This record gives sequence, structure tokens and C-alpha cells, in this order.
Amino acid sequence: NAGVTQTPKFQVLKTGQSMTLQCAQDMNHEYMSWYRQDPGMGLRLIHYSVGAGITDQGEVPNGYNVSRSTTEDFPLRLLSAAPSQTSVYFCASSYGQSREKLFFGSGTQLSVL
Amino acid sequence: SQELEQSPQSLIVQEGKNLTINCTSSKTLYGLYWYKQKYGEGLIFLMMLQKGGEEKSHEKITAKLDEKKQQSSLHITASQPSHAGIYLCGARPDTGRRALTFGSGTRLQVQP
Repeated sequence: NAGVTQTPKFQVLKTGQSMTLQCAQDMNHEYMSWYRQDPGMGLRLIHYSVGAGITDQGEVPNGYNVSRSTTEDFPLRLLSAAPSQTSVYFCASSYGQSREKLFFGSGTQLSVL
Repeated sequence: SQELEQSPQSLIVQEGKNLTINCTSSKTLYGLYWYKQKYGEGLIFLMMLQKGGEEKSHEKITAKLDEKKQQSSLHITASQPSHAGIYLCGARPDTGRRALTFGSGTRLQVQP
């Protein structure tokens, strides 16, 4: 079972570059979300989606864009990377009345130089 | 906004010892969720607590939500190296946003 798949696992960017972190799930979950994890700060919500075509901002949305054209995919776009966006990024999905029981991907470690 | 504070931030115990991790909310909790993260991996759901006074157990891990629903504890009995990792509590925010907010985590090391 694939579950939640994130690519790439590691990425190094230069300041100002743009890129897309990919997230796909094969469980037909309607809820998907992106978090970033920084030392001492736990997980912070960037954006989330409650279904195809619907997205909303989380706690730290600035500098990131998302779209949800299909139920399976929820890509996270960095428009112009900054060193402050160096972090580990996690995608998660959930469903129905158990939407707080999140299934996480294995993460993308991003460094912005 | 709701904030979750976890204590301790890190913990080193000898194998076989018991330990407790706490999660305190600045506001009433409408659901408290415990997750575990192995180093370098994503989070895995452990348990969900919703009612004041509720207690749940899974293998050697017991989680409780206090009556006032502002604090939860996670207790591990007879710790093993497999318990090592980062434990995070998560809660539904009171803002209507349908996504969890998380505490900063407790890093647990279990020495053989």
C-alpha cells in the first residue's frame, strides 16, 4: 500500500528559485494538508484542502501556493525560495469523520541557500 | 489561537523505566491526538481522546485527558528502545479550521 507519497525526499535550492513539492495519496481521502517542521517549533500548518477544488490557508501560508485539481494530488509550490523556508515538509491526508487521524508522508527535507 | 505546550522537551530514560509526557492547552480541547515520529520519518497516529476523563491504552502506552479538557498525559510503561522518537500532541483548533495544530514535540531516547 503506497499511502501518502512525497517527492522529492531531499532538495537544495538557491534563494529566489521556485519549485514544487509533490504529494499524492491513493486512499481516496478528501482532506489533505501541508505542514512544515522546524526544530523546537513542532509542526506548523501551511495550507490545507477539504476536497478537490477547495483550499485554505493555515498558520504560515506566506510564500507558498497550493492547488487541488484532483482528489489524489496536492502539490505545494514555493514561488521564490528564501532561507527561512529551509525546513522539513510533510504532507498528510485524512477522511470523513476521522479527519484528525492523519496519514503522513515521509517528508521532504528542503534547504535554501 | 490555541497553543499546545509539551513537557519535557526531551527525555532520556533507561530501558525498562516508566515515563510521562504532558501536553497542556491554553484553551479547552475539543479533541486531543497523540502522534509518534521516528527519526527521519513521518508521523504515525497513536491515540485520540475526546471526553474529559477519558483514558486509552495501546500496548504499553496510556493516554489520558483530564476532566477540564485542557491537559493530556502520555505514559509509557517499561520503556523499550522501540519507543524512542518524537511524541507530538495535536488538537482541533477553535477557529473552525478543519486541520490539526500541534505542540512542539517531546524527543524521547531510551538507553539499553
